[in-house]
Amino acid sequence: GIQVEQSPPDLILQEGANSTLRCNFSDSVNNLQWFHQNPWGQLINLFYIPSGTKQNGRLSATTVATERYSLLYISSSQTTDSGVYFCAVGYSSASKIIFGSGTRLSIRP
Amino acid sequence: DAGVIQSPRHEVTEMGQEVTLRCKPISGHDYLFWYRQTMMRGLELLIYFNNNVPIDDSGMPEDRFSAKMPNASFSTLKIQPSEPRDSAVYFCASTANPGQGMPWGYTFGSGTRLTVV
Repeated sequence: GIQVEQSPPDLILQEGANSTLRCNFSDSVNNLQWFHQNPWGQLINLFYIPSGTKQNGRLSATTVATERYSLLYISSSQTTDSGVYFCAVGYSSASKIIFGSGTRLSIRP
Repeated sequence: DAGVIQSPRHEVTEMGQEVTLRCKPISGHDYLFWYRQTMMRGLELLIYFNNNVPIDDSGMPEDRFSAKMPNASFSTLKIQPSEPRDSAVYFCASTANPGQGMPWGYTFGSGTRLTVV
């Protein structure tokens, strides 16, 4: 099956800093999603991005499908950005997706 | 839309008891997924349905686990008998076939935190 690796596993930053989270995957995929799990456990879909670049406010994501990686950028971090960020991939657009182990982000005030 | 609705939010039960978790997907979504999250194993897919039909149940840990989707607006995950190692957060998620023109990507419910003592 597909292997998904995320890095770094942990990241601690001061408020206002920028960050880049990486997701590597082992096979060609047609489904890649980024999620944020907040400190209360809620999983929020950030991006559906099997290829290309998308932006939503201070967050943006880029997937280079041919090189099997995706990047999530967070600019001007806020304490509310804290939590775990998951990358998840799948072979088709509405099939099952496999989650990586996540990057735990802590933003200090 | 109220999103994906799961109940109960918390469940504490004794070993050997039957546990039933419930999920109402977003209206119009034709895919429904059950995931389990633990510290040791992360987020694992247990089973998923398309148009109420189970498509892949290879993640169901053993025969003690069963899932049903009797109609498009309701699914259950049942554990009988429950064991302490079943303690985890169980998430339900739904999504739509991209051909239906709805936004892509999964929407997760708030989860059910199950503790088996």
